[in-house]
Order: sequence, then C-alpha cells, then structure tokens
Amino acid sequence: EAGVAQSPRYKIIEKRQSVAFWCNPISGHATLYWYQQILGQGPKLLIQFQNNGVVDDSQLPKDRFSAERLKGVDSTLKIQPAKLEDSAVYLCASSPEGPDTQYFGPGTRLTVL
Amino acid sequence: GEDVEQSLFLSVREGDSSVINCTYTDSSSTYLYWYKQEPGAGLQLLTYIFSNMDMKQDQRLTVLLNKKDKHLSLRIADTQTGDSAIYFCATNGNFNKFYFGSGTKLNVKP
Repeated sequence: EAGVAQSPRYKIIEKRQSVAFWCNPISGHATLYWYQQILGQGPKLLIQFQNNGVVDDSQLPKDRFSAERLKGVDSTLKIQPAKLEDSAVYLCASSPEGPDTQYFGPGTRLTVL
Repeated sequence: GEDVEQSLFLSVREGDSSVINCTYTDSSSTYLYWYKQEPGAGLQLLTYIFSNMDMKQDQRLTVLLNKKDKHLSLRIADTQTGDSAIYFCATNGNFNKFYFGSGTKLNVKP
C-alpha cells in the first residue's frame, strides 16, 4: 500500500512570497489533515477535511493560509504572503473512516528568509 | 481544546528499559497513540491503545493506560541506539481530531 505523498520536500522562499504544498493521501482514506510542526514542538493541526468538506480549520491563519481538497482526494495548502514565523515542517496525514489512526507523509520543510 | 503533556528529554543506556510518560486532559478520547519521529522524517505510528484497555504489549513495546489519572506511558524494553528519536503521545477526540504532545527526545547511550 502506497503511503501519503507530499511535495516538494523542501522549499526556501523570501518573506512576502507565496508557496504551495501538495498532498496525496492513502487511497480510500476519507480524512485528510494538514499540520504545522515548528522546530522543537509537536504537530499543530491547521485544517482537517472529511472527504472534500472542512471539519476543523479553527487554527488556520485564514488571512494568509488557505487549503482545498478537490474531489475529496488530493489537497493543496497555500501560504500567501509568507512570514518568517511560517518556517516549519508542514505535515500531511490521512486516516480512514471512523476513529482510527492516521498515517503521515514525510513533510515539506519550509524556510522563510 | 485537549492538553497533552510530556517530559522533554530522557537518556538511557543501551539494553536498559525506557519509560516515556504522557498526561492528557480529554477523557473522551477513543484511542491514544505513540508516534516516533527520527531526524528529518515524518511521524511513524508505533502503537496505539483503545481507551477501554489498561495495557497493550507489542514486542518490545508496552503501553500502559491509567484512565482515572489520564496517564499514558510507553515502555521500550532492551532499548537500542536505533530507538533514539523523538516520541510523541497523541489523543483523538470528537470528529477524529488529534492532539499531540510536544515530544520526548530519547537519547540512548552505547
């Protein structure tokens, strides 16, 4: 079974630029999550999708972050414009229906200069 | 929201047992999880326990859950240098929303 795929793996941008990350979850997984992991901290949930609907985006800074999950499969997370404090690893995870575990992708490491 | 707390560091000698502790606040969690993160990698699920269980054993790993005290622990028997990593405790609440601790860095000395 293929795992969660993310791209790019690394991205370096200057502040005020835009950036987008892509995630392809495990086939058949209804729930998709985007997390932000700042160095030395645990993952913080940014947004959670159930199929192509948003379940929770309470911690997403909506003035600069946006995410979509078209057709309930792949998802993109965008930051526009980026700030220095957005430097982090962005993790995508997916899980099947019902209370269950979630499986993580390798993450995208973003550095904002 | 849920609060998940872990100690930051643990150092053990190779061959010893490691015990990593976690406390949480949300008693409605269905499952509780342990993840491992090696440098530069994503999170890897190690094991999880259903909330109506007290203990789960999986090879070298033993998970203990004290629901009354909201305390979860992970014991690694015969700890090896390859076990050096950051270990995250996580809970899931309503709508399958996950909360993670800040991680415990395990250092295994040869």
